[in-house]
Amino acid sequence: NAGVTQTPKFQVLKTGQSMTLQCAQDMNHEYMSWYRQDPGMGLRLIHYSVGAGITDQGEVPNGYNVSRSTTEDFPLRLLSAAPSQTSVYFCASRSTGTGLNSPLHFGNGTRLTVT
Amino acid sequence: AQKVTQAQTEISVVEKEDVTLDCVYETRDTTYYLFWYKQPPSGELVFLIRRNSFDEQNEISGRYSWNFQKSTSSFNFTITASQVVDSAVYFCALSEAASGGSYIPTFGRGTSLIVHP
Repeated sequence: NAGVTQTPKFQVLKTGQSMTLQCAQDMNHEYMSWYRQDPGMGLRLIHYSVGAGITDQGEVPNGYNVSRSTTEDFPLRLLSAAPSQTSVYFCASRSTGTGLNSPLHFGNGTRLTVT
Repeated sequence: AQKVTQAQTEISVVEKEDVTLDCVYETRDTTYYLFWYKQPPSGELVFLIRRNSFDEQNEISGRYSWNFQKSTSSFNFTITASQVVDSAVYFCALSEAASGGSYIPTFGRGTSLIVHP
């Protein structure tokens, strides 16, 4: 079972560069989301999606774009990277069909450094 | 104000000690869900337990136990006879309904537990 797959695992960008963090899940989960993890700040929600074609902003959406063209994929785009975006990024998904209390399934994370 | 407060940033214990990780949450909803996740040094996030707002029964799973008290808005996690393998960052999370009806988890800042041999 692949679960939630994030690529790449590591990335170094220069300020101003753009890139896309990939996230794919094979569990047919309706809900997908992106979090960033910074020391002492826990996990903060960037964007989330409750189904294909539907996205919404989380707590810290500025500087990031998302789209959800398929159920399986939820890429996160950094349009113009800034050092403040240096972080570990986690993609997570969950089923909404089996009830409202299903836990999140996380990918293994992407460690991004912006210089 | 934080919706989920984990006041203990770091806890250090010696193996076999019992340890309790505190979680206090804030919500106006009557229906909500609480979770605990574990992040070991390898970095992955692992689900441990969930509880809904209508179920205040405490739960025990091996050395782990959880105490949910609505009266104090707390969902504390106790590890009995801690082991080195319990060393990890532990996150408490609250899921409330968003405007569209979906439940969106909000995480606390985490408690880093270090268990020394």
